[in-house]
Formats: sequence, structure tokens, C-alpha cells
Amino acid sequence: DVKVTQSSRYLVKRTGEKVFLECVQDMDHENMFWYRQDPGLGLRLIYFSYDVKMKEKGDIPEGYSVSREKKERFSLILESASTNQTSMYLCASDRDRGHYGYTFGSGTRLTVV
Amino acid sequence: GDSVTQMEGPVTLSEEAFLTINCTYTATGYPSLFWYVQYPGEGLQLLLKATKADDKGSNKGFEATYRKETTSFHLEKGSVQVSDSAVYFCALSLIQGAQKLVFGQGTRLTINP
Repeated sequence: DVKVTQSSRYLVKRTGEKVFLECVQDMDHENMFWYRQDPGLGLRLIYFSYDVKMKEKGDIPEGYSVSREKKERFSLILESASTNQTSMYLCASDRDRGHYGYTFGSGTRLTVV
Repeated sequence: GDSVTQMEGPVTLSEEAFLTINCTYTATGYPSLFWYVQYPGEGLQLLLKATKADDKGSNKGFEATYRKETTSFHLEKGSVQVSDSAVYFCALSLIQGAQKLVFGQGTRLTINP
């Protein structure tokens, strides 16, 4: 089975901390995505990447950055965590720009206190 | 722009009832259409998909037919079980020039015994 693995299921961080969320896929997919999911707002795209060292802003990039140094790993960085970044974060990968659908990780529930 | 509109939830049914969750879309091209399911505390899983008009996607007793004339992709199941309780997301991607999946807001389904 193909897999997308997110390093943590639950995280608690303090306001102002720098936070790293890690995502690894074992499918040799070129495309990777970070979403956040909030009640009543559905899934919102933060950043995505179509290749190593490439990144594109999604719909809500403010307060976030990403890193893709290797094809299999896509990291989401909260430069200075704030309470309004408390959310469920979902990573996904894809081999053909969405034509076959994405494979999602299990999610990281981040709480910023 | 491209968008997906889902039936608002929550939806509550009794076990063995018939399920329909409505999904309509707006797209400038010819999209592929998807249904994803999210069980409590987990990421999204691809449930079924259809890539062209009149295609029927099916999986685990769920079905959806790609209706180009009504721009719809309604999810149906003849007899639901308690284990089907989850959040269901409809999504589309364009075959040409696709950048990312576009998701609906999600519909929470609860099945009572």
C-alpha cells in the first residue's frame, strides 16, 4: 500500500514557537500538498509543490512556509505559531496533478497555547 | 472559478436506510470527480472516482454517477451501516491544466443503530 506519513498525530506548542510539521511519501510522487481543516471551513490549501525545491502558494499561505529538499519529504513551517493556527493539518501527495485523486496522511492536530 | 457545492449537514439516518448526499460542481473544463471519506480522527481516504461523463464510480456499496448535463455527482448507498458514520467530501480536478483538487465543504453523516 502506498503511504503518506505525517510525523506527529498530536502536537501542543506555545505561542511564538517555530513549528515544523513533517510529511513523507513512499510513492515517488512529484506533487505534494499541505491543507488545514477547520470546522465549518472545510479544507483550505496552504502550500503545494510540484517538484523538489519548488513551492507554490495556496489559498491561505500567510504565517506559513514550506521546504522540499527531497522528493519524498514536504515540510510545513509555522515561523511564529499563533493561537489562530490551532487546527488539523493534512498532507497529501499525487502523481498526476489530481487526475487520479490524492493520497492523504492521517493528519496532525496542532494546538497552540 | 471552479467550485463544488455539497449538501449541508449534518445528516442523521437509521441503520439500513437509503443514503443520498448531493454534490454539484462548476468547472470551466472537463473535470474528474471524486468522493473522499474521513473517519473520526483520521485523514481523508479516496472512496470512489469518475473521470468522464456517465461513468459510475463505486466502492464499499457506495455509488456515484458523473452527470454532465446536471453537473452533479451525488453519492448513494442502498443500506447504510453504523460504520459509515464519517465526513464525506466531494472534489473535482480538471484534466487539463490542473493545479489542485477543489473540495466541497464536507457533509457529516451519523448512522444510528
